[in-house]
Amino acid sequence: DGGITQSPKYLFRKEGQNVTLSCEQNLNHDAMYWYRQDPGQGLRLIYYSQIVNDFQKGDIAEGYSVSREKKESFPLTVTSAQKNPTAFYLCASSIWAPGSNQPQHFGDGTRLSIL
Amino acid sequence: KQEVTQIPAALSVPEGENLVLNCSFTDSAIYNLQWFRQDPGKGLTSLLLIQSSQREQTSGRLNASLDKSSGRSTLYIAASQPGDSATYLCAVSNAGNMLTFGGGTRLMVKP
Repeated sequence: DGGITQSPKYLFRKEGQNVTLSCEQNLNHDAMYWYRQDPGQGLRLIYYSQIVNDFQKGDIAEGYSVSREKKESFPLTVTSAQKNPTAFYLCASSIWAPGSNQPQHFGDGTRLSIL
Repeated sequence: KQEVTQIPAALSVPEGENLVLNCSFTDSAIYNLQWFRQDPGKGLTSLLLIQSSQREQTSGRLNASLDKSSGRSTLYIAASQPGDSATYLCAVSNAGNMLTFGGGTRLMVKP
């Protein structure tokens, strides 16, 4: 089945540690996105990528980094500079067609907690 | 900057009731509006997508309307069931396919 796979489902971070969240898609989508969701709130955009080897900052990029070396993969690193990383992280992908917005498809998320 | 607001934040209804969830946005220059469902600890499932040129979309017991000029959308759920219990999120997209989300409405349908 085509879809988006996020791993791990749960992740724990120690103080001063960087952690990487995985996102893989087999939908052949060009664009991929990372969102953060805090309890009782909507999603906020961290980073997005419309093409391999290119990505752009979203609204809350500070303390995060990404790479897009392959079309299928868009890993997110939560660095030690992110002082409040506890949240639910969602990855999404979509067809990229300028002038024709396409629906985004979401993974099942990774819940990150601080030890 | 686009802002999206959903009212109410939480709603509890008895099974069988018809209900309306509200979404408002501040900038009417949108490409489309989407309603999503989110179950606890899960990702988002797209329910309905309304293009900016459309007025409404229907899927089964769900009907979403869009009034772009007034910056409002409603999601109507007919004959609610306990299985409809979830958080419902609306999101609007701009020219770059960036989504701005509301805070969600947490719905509980009691048997």
